[in-house]
Amino acid sequence: AQSVTQLGSHVSVSEGALVLLRCNYSSSVPPYLFWYVQYPNQGLQLLLKYTSAATLVKGINGFEAEFKKSETSFHLTKPSAHMSDAAEYFCAVSENSGYALNFGKGTSLLVTP
Amino acid sequence: GAVVSQHPSWVICKSGTSVKIECRSLDFQATTMFWYRQFPKQSLMLMATSNEGSKATYEQGVEKDKFLINHASLTLSTLTVTSAHPEDSSFYICSATGDRDDQETQYFGPGTRLLVL
Repeated sequence: AQSVTQLGSHVSVSEGALVLLRCNYSSSVPPYLFWYVQYPNQGLQLLLKYTSAATLVKGINGFEAEFKKSETSFHLTKPSAHMSDAAEYFCAVSENSGYALNFGKGTSLLVTP
Repeated sequence: GAVVSQHPSWVICKSGTSVKIECRSLDFQATTMFWYRQFPKQSLMLMATSNEGSKATYEQGVEKDKFLINHASLTLSTLTVTSAHPEDSSFYICSATGDRDDQETQYFGPGTRLLVL
């Protein structure tokens, strides 16, 4: 079964600093990997996804993630944090197109002035 | 594109009553819809997967007689919480995939917050 582990339930960065949110996956087949963002009392918005094409994936709002098979990782980064980036971030994996997602426990990002 | 709506956005009901939540794909045909539940400060847990015209597939531990799912059309799925109890209070989120080039991507609705008194 596919699963993801998000390291760090809370991450705090200063405005303008690098954002790094960690996600490691476990999968017996080439995975589909996703990062979603959730603002308070809202649904999930897709940031970016990896579907076995380019290993460096660029998403919305300046975020990107790199698929590293050797490290079984799909960490999310952003060069410069904005206050508006404060939210809950979920990494997710599925084993095939159209299959259900297995979510990590989420990482709450706090951006301080 | 790829907009998914949910209705209602929040609902308060008395214990023992039933509540129906609708999930609609507004600009694409959703061949598969998923229902998730999220408790405060926790991740999303898959409840069931529904394909249009078929019976839903429920995850282990989810009571199919309590959480009735109907996916009667390619744009609508409903979740009915029957005889709701306070422990059913949660945030219910649906997602959909369908007739798009990015069939691997699930598009999520805004969620429905249920409070059972």
